[in-house]
Amino acid sequence: AQSVAQPEDQVNVAEGNPLTVKCTYSVSGNPYLFWYVQYPNRGLQFLLKYITGDNLVKGSYGFEAEFNKSQTSFHLKKPSALVSDSALYFCAVRPRSNDYKLSFGAGTTVTVRA
Amino acid sequence: EPEVTQTPSHQVTQMGQEVILRCVPISNHLYFYWYRQILGQKVEFLVSFYNNEISEKSEIFDDQFSVERPDGSNFTLKIRSTKLEDSAMYFCASTTGLASGEQFFGPGTRLTVL
Repeated sequence: AQSVAQPEDQVNVAEGNPLTVKCTYSVSGNPYLFWYVQYPNRGLQFLLKYITGDNLVKGSYGFEAEFNKSQTSFHLKKPSALVSDSALYFCAVRPRSNDYKLSFGAGTTVTVRA
Repeated sequence: EPEVTQTPSHQVTQMGQEVILRCVPISNHLYFYWYRQILGQKVEFLVSFYNNEISEKSEIFDDQFSVERPDGSNFTLKIRSTKLEDSAMYFCASTTGLASGEQFFGPGTRLTVL
């Protein structure tokens, strides 16, 4: 069975400070890894994905994520957070097989204070 | 930029009634999905649909649920006899079908069963 863990329910940072949202996974093989963001009353917006290659993936709005195979982690990062980054962030995984469904973590609420 | 659309944005129904949630996926996409998010919980996979048939479904997707692509653009989720526990946000998603492709989500339909 596959699972995704986001160990922090909430992350609070000051504007301008670095932001990290943690994600670890338990999936057989080498899964595809994704980050999505959800703003209030909105759907899920794709941020970035890891397929293969460089362990540091760059995505939308200045976000990046670091894939660590030995730690089975895929932490989301932003060097300098903005108040507008305040939202709910979801990590998701998909096995490299015919199984196309995404398995999501529970989500991490990010609050960036001015 | 093309996007997934969903109607209605909010549906209120009485327990035992049938509801149909509608989605228009991105036009050149081949795989279609329904997910749901019960308030305060993680996003859960319901069903995937490809080539006019269900390719995978979760244990949540019981006989009360059905999906259909009645024409070349719409993708619907029907709940035959709604229960209180069906109250949730329902998200439609689509993807091109490439193995590494990210799924694009609609804004969701909030279903409230009274």
